Amino acid sequence: DQQVKQNSPSLSVQEGRISILNCDYTNSMFDYFLWYKKYPAEGPTFLISISSIKDKNEDGRFTVFLNKSAKHLSLHIVPSQPGDSAVYFCAASDRNNFNKFYFGSGTKLNVKP
Amino acid sequence: EAGVAQSPRYKIIEKRQSVAFWCNPISGHATLYWYQQILGQGPKLLIQFQNNGVVDDSQLPKDRFSAERLKGVDSTLKIQPAKLEDSAVYLCASSLGRGGLEPQHFGDGTRLSIL
Repeated sequence: DQQVKQNSPSLSVQEGRISILNCDYTNSMFDYFLWYKKYPAEGPTFLISISSIKDKNEDGRFTVFLNKSAKHLSLHIVPSQPGDSAVYFCAASDRNNFNKFYFGSGTKLNVKP
Repeated sequence: EAGVAQSPRYKIIEKRQSVAFWCNPISGHATLYWYQQILGQGPKLLIQFQNNGVVDDSQLPKDRFSAERLKGVDSTLKIQPAKLEDSAVYLCASSLGRGGLEPQHFGDGTRLSIL
């Protein structure tokens, strides 16, 4: 059962423009959502998170938006930089279920110079 | 702060052989996770420890996979015997484990190839 889905396997954006990565989930019990960034041959690196009591969290160029009614979250990167080129995974967890994490299949972002 | 350490980085074995992976989590992290990541997919949880107790191993193929976390710190994951479909990256992650909004921190993984 895939409880977290990233329907876009890849995204290409011009440097300086906005990158928008999307993620959908099915489990209404999820209360914590995260984005991870992964470079080749490295483990995923935590990027930004949001609790279910918020609808937006911002950290520098990265903003995560949560729409609970639509069970949808998105990551905005503004402005996009070539160094942002990586695979981005969204993840969700239910803290009442031992903080077990569920991951999407990832979106490969390519930022063109 | 030192990150999650994993070894080896790469391993190539033949099917039906056995293999073991080692993980040292971030100091003070009570929760440790092992994930399997197949190419083109997201990480899939195999087993989750809280200190040295198993919290979730529902997706661990127990006929061939085993894991332990003695003394609640380091952990090993073993596959015996390996099958072709076990070719994947095995990721270890840890978190504080205090029940709050805590991200997981990942090691760089072990890339396993089965011939």
